[in-house]
Amino acid sequence: GAVVSQHPSRVICKSGTSVKIECRSLDFQATTMFWYRQFPKQSLMLMATSNEGSKATYEQGVEKDKFLINHASLTLSTLTVTSAHPEDSSFYICSASRSALGYTFGSGTRLTVV
Amino acid sequence: GDSVTQMEGPVTLSEEAFLTINCTYTATGYPSLFWYVQYPGEGLQLLLKATKADDKGSNKGFEATYRKETTSFHLEKGSVQVSDSAVYFCAPLVRAARQLTFGSGTQLTVLP
Repeated sequence: GAVVSQHPSRVICKSGTSVKIECRSLDFQATTMFWYRQFPKQSLMLMATSNEGSKATYEQGVEKDKFLINHASLTLSTLTVTSAHPEDSSFYICSASRSALGYTFGSGTRLTVV
Repeated sequence: GDSVTQMEGPVTLSEEAFLTINCTYTATGYPSLFWYVQYPGEGLQLLLKATKADDKGSNKGFEATYRKETTSFHLEKGSVQVSDSAVYFCAPLVRAARQLTFGSGTQLTVLP
């Protein structure tokens, strides 16, 4: 079946530094990947849609200069949280789409900014 | 725009109890409907899905029927287990948009 690998699972960084999160589709080519943010005990908030070879589409209210998304290949998308601050601490989840009905989620990344 | 109204939690049940988590949606066109489950500290896993009216999705004893007339996709299980403790998300997918819209999630805790 479709597998999406997300790394790291947990990361702690200092305020002002940048953190990169990777999302890989291991056994299929993902033309589209999605990045979500989840606050404690809340639902998933779509941050951006990443299409291979083109710029990501950000949802309203998401700072594109803060959350850099790169989808350089059909199997890899990265989210870089730049100049991280404590309020960026959250659970980030990626999802890869193989077809209109096939969405597979990564295991998530717990980011803590201290 | 598309939206989902999901039964608020938390829901606490005893083992072997009957479970219903309500979900209603508004969407343009005829969406596909999904239920996802999230175990503590993990990403989401697809639990079941239905792609057209009157379809019934089922998996691991869970069922949900696509009710077009009531725009609902309620999740049910006849006898829950402790291992079912997790957060459950209802999510319609409008094909044209290719984006899932998630409900607020329902925390289920099953006590032994």
